[in-house]
Amino acid sequence: DQQVKQNSPSLSVQEGRISILNCDYTNSMFDYFLWYKKYPAEGPTFLISISSIKDKNEDGRFTVFLNKSAKHLSLHIVPSQPGDSAVYFCAASGDNYGQNFVFGPGTRLSVLP
Amino acid sequence: DAGVIQSPRHEVTEMGQEVTLRCKPISGHNSLFWYRQTMMRGLELLIYFNNNVPIDDSGMPEDRFSAKMPNASFSTLKIQPSEPRDSAVYFCASRDRGPNTGELFFGEGSRLTVL
Repeated sequence: DQQVKQNSPSLSVQEGRISILNCDYTNSMFDYFLWYKKYPAEGPTFLISISSIKDKNEDGRFTVFLNKSAKHLSLHIVPSQPGDSAVYFCAASGDNYGQNFVFGPGTRLSVLP
Repeated sequence: DAGVIQSPRHEVTEMGQEVTLRCKPISGHNSLFWYRQTMMRGLELLIYFNNNVPIDDSGMPEDRFSAKMPNASFSTLKIQPSEPRDSAVYFCASRDRGPNTGELFFGEGSRLTVL
């Protein structure tokens, strides 16, 4: 059973508009969440993270929102650019989880010029 | 600074052959992870090490898979015998262990095709 879910396998957005990628988790012991971006033929690279003591973290065009009660987080990209086209993975971790990271299946974002 | 280095980048082999994937983590990182990426399951953790000691290998599919970390700068993932369903991209990642912070640094992956 997947503990980290990304229910949208793909998303297409027009350049300049907002991209919203969603992630849900089931394990209430997770307390640290990350987003990774992956281009074809490359390894995933870290994008942004959020601790469970916060509900929002911003870094330039990227903002991650965390709703602990709903066990839901989202990544907002504003404005979206063609270079943002990639697969985005949500990941979760927790002290009680052995410092392991559990990844979701990923969402492929296509930003159309 | 060199990142996580994996080899080979691509491997094509026949069913039944032994496959060995290699990883050099970032110097100073004391946790190392092996992940497998497939279309169906995304990124799955196979095994991870802290200070060269295997901590959790529950993700290793079956006895055909084994991983070692003989020292802080080298790890191998071995599949023997390989099967077509093992075809995937295998990623190695490392991190600096500490409190619940810190990102994973991934290598570029080893794409395995078993015919």
